[in-house]
Amino acid sequence: SAVISQKPSRDICQRGTSLTIQCQVDSQVTMMFWYRQQPGQSLTLIATANQGSEATYESGFVIDKFPISRPNLTFSTLTVSNMSPEDSSIYLCSVEGTGGNYYGYTFGSGTRLTVV
Amino acid sequence: GESVGLHLPTLSVQEGDNSIINCAYSNSASDYFIWYKQESGKGPQFIIDIRSNMDKRQGQRVTVLLNKTVKHLSLQIAATQPGDSAVYFCAEADTGGFKTIFGAGTRLFVKA
Repeated sequence: SAVISQKPSRDICQRGTSLTIQCQVDSQVTMMFWYRQQPGQSLTLIATANQGSEATYESGFVIDKFPISRPNLTFSTLTVSNMSPEDSSIYLCSVEGTGGNYYGYTFGSGTRLTVV
Repeated sequence: GESVGLHLPTLSVQEGDNSIINCAYSNSASDYFIWYKQESGKGPQFIIDIRSNMDKRQGQRVTVLLNKTVKHLSLQIAATQPGDSAVYFCAEADTGGFKTIFGAGTRLFVKA
């Protein structure tokens, strides 16, 4: 399965600023996904990012707040814009599984964001 | 809307015993189900999956059971070990495995 490197692993940011999270995959993948995991909770899909097209956002998430780039088949970024303490969460990227038997998603280790 | 939930938020088992983690889903159109394990400070790790045309699938020490009639999914861990302590999420996905919906999670504690 793919190996994902996600940076930064954690950050503490001032409200009103923006943070860009990077996700690098060691193989080419068509679809990449960005999730948010609020403290003690489950994962919520933010958006799906395909190379060469605009990201598709889930209900409750908008491009102005969470702009996403997908410049090639191995890389994506998620920006959390104009941050507030409510944005404090773990942000995770993941990629589709591979192979004839679907192996499910592989996840990065996440970015733990604290907004103060 | 569709949702995937879990019956038990926490589960404590004795080392060596079998663990059963349950999950209910509401979207009868989902055709792919996945169990993930998440350890502290890490992203979810794929454990096992099952498609809706199956009712049971076995892996190494883990078994997933799917009951489509009552929309219920379970994960069985045999001979539970301390390293199995983690939060376990069930998830459902549409055809092709995209747009996964995660359940609330169950924290498994393994007592030595």
